[in-house]
Amino acid sequence: NAGVTQTPKFQVLKTGQSMTLQCAQDMNHNSMYWYRQDPGMGLRLIYYSASEGTTDKGEVPNGYNVSRLNKREFSLRLESAAPSQTSVYFCASSEVGRGYTFGSGTRLTVV
Amino acid sequence: SQKIEQNSEALNIQEGKTATLTCNYTNYSPAYLQWYRQDPGRGPVFLLLIRENEKEKRKERLKVTFDTTLKQSLFHITASQPADSATYLCALLNAGNMLTFGGGTRLMVKP
Repeated sequence: NAGVTQTPKFQVLKTGQSMTLQCAQDMNHNSMYWYRQDPGMGLRLIYYSASEGTTDKGEVPNGYNVSRLNKREFSLRLESAAPSQTSVYFCASSEVGRGYTFGSGTRLTVV
Repeated sequence: SQKIEQNSEALNIQEGKTATLTCNYTNYSPAYLQWYRQDPGRGPVFLLLIRENEKEKRKERLKVTFDTTLKQSLFHITASQPADSATYLCALLNAGNMLTFGGGTRLMVKP
């Protein structure tokens, strides 16, 4: 069982570059999420999608956009990367009232 | 404002002892609370979910209590092993129906 797959695992960007983080789940979950994790800040929700075709802002959405491509895939786009977006990004999926399944993360450095 | 507080200092215990981790929260009325384990360089892994009408839940060597009056959850690992060393995160649904994580407590079990 693959669970939640994130690509890439590592990425270095220059300030102002754009990129898309990919996430796919094979558990037929309705809900998907993007979090970032920074030292001393814990996990913070960027965007989420309660079901296919819907997306909503989380706690820290500025500088990001998302696309729920289908039930399996939920991508996160940085249009113009900034050093403040250096972080570890986690994608997760779940059903309502259940625990989340997380991917292994993308380590992004913006220089 | 809503807060989830976990002890940011590492908890060091001897193998075979019971580890007890605390999660305190303010300005939440969560329907349920979750606990996760996170190893370095990995995504969080769901361990247990306890609902507001449940006082205690067990899974193998793990036990979680949930006191909605004290606004506190305790997470116990009995007969701890070095392999239990990790960071443990508690998480609650916030007012916007989004799962919000505490900063986590690092547990070190020494042989």
